[in-house]
Amino acid sequence: EIVLTQSPGTLSLSPGERATLSCRASQSVSSYFAWYQQKPGQAPRLLIYGASSRATGIPDRFSGSGSGTDFTLTISRLEPEDFAVYYCQQYGSLRTFGQGTKVEIK
Amino acid sequence: QVQLQESGPGLVKPSETLSLTCTVSGVSISSYYWSWIRQAPGKGLEWIGYVYYSGSATYNPSLKSRVTISVDTSKNQFSLKLSSVTAADTAVYFCARGSTAFDLWGQGTMVSVSS
Repeated sequence: EIVLTQSPGTLSLSPGERATLSCRASQSVSSYFAWYQQKPGQAPRLLIYGASSRATGIPDRFSGSGSGTDFTLTISRLEPEDFAVYYCQQYGSLRTFGQGTKVEIK
Repeated sequence: QVQLQESGPGLVKPSETLSLTCTVSGVSISSYYWSWIRQAPGKGLEWIGYVYYSGSATYNPSLKSRVTISVDTSKNQFSLKLSSVTAADTAVYFCARGSTAFDLWGQGTMVSVSS
């Protein structure tokens, strides 16, 4: 099973700041990689697929990069609605999710 | 507008079988793969498996011996059965579209395992 490790566990930032979230895979998944946002009491929302392609309707302040084992989600300027938990997911071999990074208001 | 809606019992007894259905509206179930994903209280996401309209399914190896995912094209629904449940199976169960990245999700349904 491919294990995904997200860092940091919690990111404390202010609106308008840049957020950089990381995810490392235990083995290469090429670009078969996605990012999701989840708010309390809601289902996850797909943000990024194919490591760097934005899903439909996702603002361009969200960007994804990486390939192989190291991936990054960047939120260029945090809006109030961006404070949430973010999960990475790989689909290179079966499907697994990371443990999540919480982006909280500082 | 494509929508997914989970339905099923909110409480299941230990050792029994959990059964959930996802009703898809706005698109033919024959056009995509469909998945089940769960989230234990306060925890992360766990992929359970996915199915194609043909009935071909792929499961998480950690659950494979207890899981069956099936599809009913006549009702535009797909279903999850998880046997021999324990308290560790208590979770919110989501149905979702896709087998790679999951681009559309149901709202989720909470299932508790308790006697």
